[in-house]
Amino acid sequence: DADVTQTPRNRITKTGKRIMLECSQTKGHDRMYWYRQDPGLGLRLIYYSFDVKDINKGEISDGYSVSRQAQAKFSLSLESAIPNQTALYFCATSDSRAEKLFFGSGTQLSVL
Amino acid sequence: GESVGLHLPTLSVQEGDNSIINCAYSNSASDYFIWYKQESGKGPQFIIDIRSNMDKRQGQRVTVLLNKTVKHLSLQIAATQPGDSAVYFCAERTQTGANNLFFGTGTRLTVIP
Repeated sequence: DADVTQTPRNRITKTGKRIMLECSQTKGHDRMYWYRQDPGLGLRLIYYSFDVKDINKGEISDGYSVSRQAQAKFSLSLESAIPNQTALYFCATSDSRAEKLFFGSGTQLSVL
Repeated sequence: GESVGLHLPTLSVQEGDNSIINCAYSNSASDYFIWYKQESGKGPQFIIDIRSNMDKRQGQRVTVLLNKTVKHLSLQIAATQPGDSAVYFCAERTQTGANNLFFGTGTRLTVIP
């Protein structure tokens, strides 16, 4: 079983719709992250959480929100999806040293 | 933001040859560097890391070299195999704020059989 599980793997939605991407982990890590990957731009940090009561914005948080429901669960929401949010989204976890990140398999989101 | 870049976006090598993937970073305060491999349809996977107090670190068929003088990082893959074909990312961590990793744009390595 995967240590970091993302659902769904693929999602197609329409402009203006609200969608949620979910992430769960079995690694027991405190830190969880959401990244976005676009061709030619690498991975960019959207939000991160150091524990259940700690949520922080990353470099591209506009248009996104997150919820840390439990140590093992971290969800990303797009309140009103727009086409330029079409991208590959990754959830990741790390221990408290914030060094090695462990990534999920990604969610490919297409906003039409 | 951080400027972590790669000299070459694509690299093709013959099977069995050695591969060298380069990465430039701009923040001299970065204290930790890491390489990831991303195969098609998968999330990035850890390859090797190195701290700023080291110049070289070896793993299984991979070596990371760090040159702090010119802010350059490289990943060497020995005896490259078809399974090494992937996109390779470097990332750096700066000892400021949340100590998050900042990723480069990636290099696509293609191994020619």
